[in-house]
Amino acid sequence: GAGVSQSPSNKVTEKGKDVELRCDPISGHTALYWYRQRLGQGLEFLIYFQGNSAPDKSGLPSDRFSAERTGESVSTLTIQRTQQEDSAVYLCASSLSERRAEQYFGPGTRLTVT
Amino acid sequence: GQSLEQPSEVTAVEGAIVQINCTYQTSGFYGLSWYQQHDGGAPTFLSYNALDGLEETGRFSSFLSRSDSYGYLLLQELQMKDSASYFCAVRDLVGFQKLVFGTGTRLLVSP
Repeated sequence: GAGVSQSPSNKVTEKGKDVELRCDPISGHTALYWYRQRLGQGLEFLIYFQGNSAPDKSGLPSDRFSAERTGESVSTLTIQRTQQEDSAVYLCASSLSERRAEQYFGPGTRLTVT
Repeated sequence: GQSLEQPSEVTAVEGAIVQINCTYQTSGFYGLSWYQQHDGGAPTFLSYNALDGLEETGRFSSFLSRSDSYGYLLLQELQMKDSASYFCAVRDLVGFQKLVFGTGTRLLVSP
């Protein structure tokens, strides 16, 4: 079946602009996660959804970052007033449930803030 | 909090066996996972150790020792396609849903 998809694959934006990143999880996966990966580094947890509620937003770096999810489907990560330090690959993952160890990752959105 | 350390780079030749270590300082976690990531690609799940001991999945095996705060990924019969970055990750006790990732190890396999 289809895997996790993300759009756009690449986004170049000017400092100060808002961006929206989209994630389509695997159908039937109730848990959805957003991570950030800076160049050459590990993945940094941002936020987790179970259904359309977000029990854990502890990784969001600032109030410029927000995310929402529609039911058990699409999620969008919004970054307002982008800064150069926001440049990174934003990865989305989903899993069958919050208790499953295996997470399935999308290809990511490479965000460049100029 | 959690802190997981890995060697930054490991090199090996085709057909060899390589071990990638993961040492951690943590207040507790549910299990240790390993993910593979090719350049420009998405991380893909390799294995998960909920308990101490060895888990084997084909050419890949993973080991966990909580008493030693240590785990490793063992790759056997190395192939060129195994050249990638490998990350260990733990499921946090508080907020077990999220993964806390290690620093990553870049594996280079040469002919």
